[in-house]
Amino acid sequence: GENVEQHPSTLSVQEGDSAVIKCTYSDSASNYFPWYKQELGKRPQLIIDIRSNVGEKKDQRIAVTLNKTAKHFSLHITETQPEDSAVYFCAARAGGFKTIFGAGTRLFVKA
Amino acid sequence: DAGVIQSPRHEVTEMGQEVTLRCKPISGHDYLFWYRQTMMRGLELLIYFNNNVPIDDSGMPEDRFSAKMPNASFSTLKIQPSEPRDSAVYFCASSTGLAGGIRTDTQYFGPGTRLTVL
Repeated sequence: GENVEQHPSTLSVQEGDSAVIKCTYSDSASNYFPWYKQELGKRPQLIIDIRSNVGEKKDQRIAVTLNKTAKHFSLHITETQPEDSAVYFCAARAGGFKTIFGAGTRLFVKA
Repeated sequence: DAGVIQSPRHEVTEMGQEVTLRCKPISGHDYLFWYRQTMMRGLELLIYFNNNVPIDDSGMPEDRFSAKMPNASFSTLKIQPSEPRDSAVYFCASSTGLAGGIRTDTQYFGPGTRLTVL
């Protein structure tokens, strides 16, 4: 069945450094890849997404890259700040609206 | 708009009892999703509806779980009988397939219901 693997499970960086989270997906029909941020005790919120016809997308300090051939996609956060500390989830969606989530990455940004 | 509304926010019940979780999607959204989040299994899609019709319920774990959407502004997720392993945070999310004529996929999550089954 469909599967999304996410690495690392925990990531600790110094404030101002970059953070990279990587995901792979199994369903070659996947065409939409959102990233969600979830703060402790809060709901997941979409921070950026990318479609399969685009290789890269950037929004201020956040960027996402997609390699369809390798079925990899990654989240890049530059100039990290303490408020970036949260759990980040990647996800992949093929036909319809069924979205498969990765297991999450807990990001700690040390001031 | 108040966003997706879920009730109750917290539910504590005893094993064997019936539990009903409620969700009101964002007005105008025609997709509604139920997710379950646990430390062990992460965020899992249980079922989703389009225009009040269940489209994919392959994530519903057992026959003890059922979901309904009687109208565009209300959905329920019922567990009967509940078991301790059902303890989790249950999220409802909604989405609109089109916004301004453009395909959009953003799912907006509700605050969740934290269920504890003793």
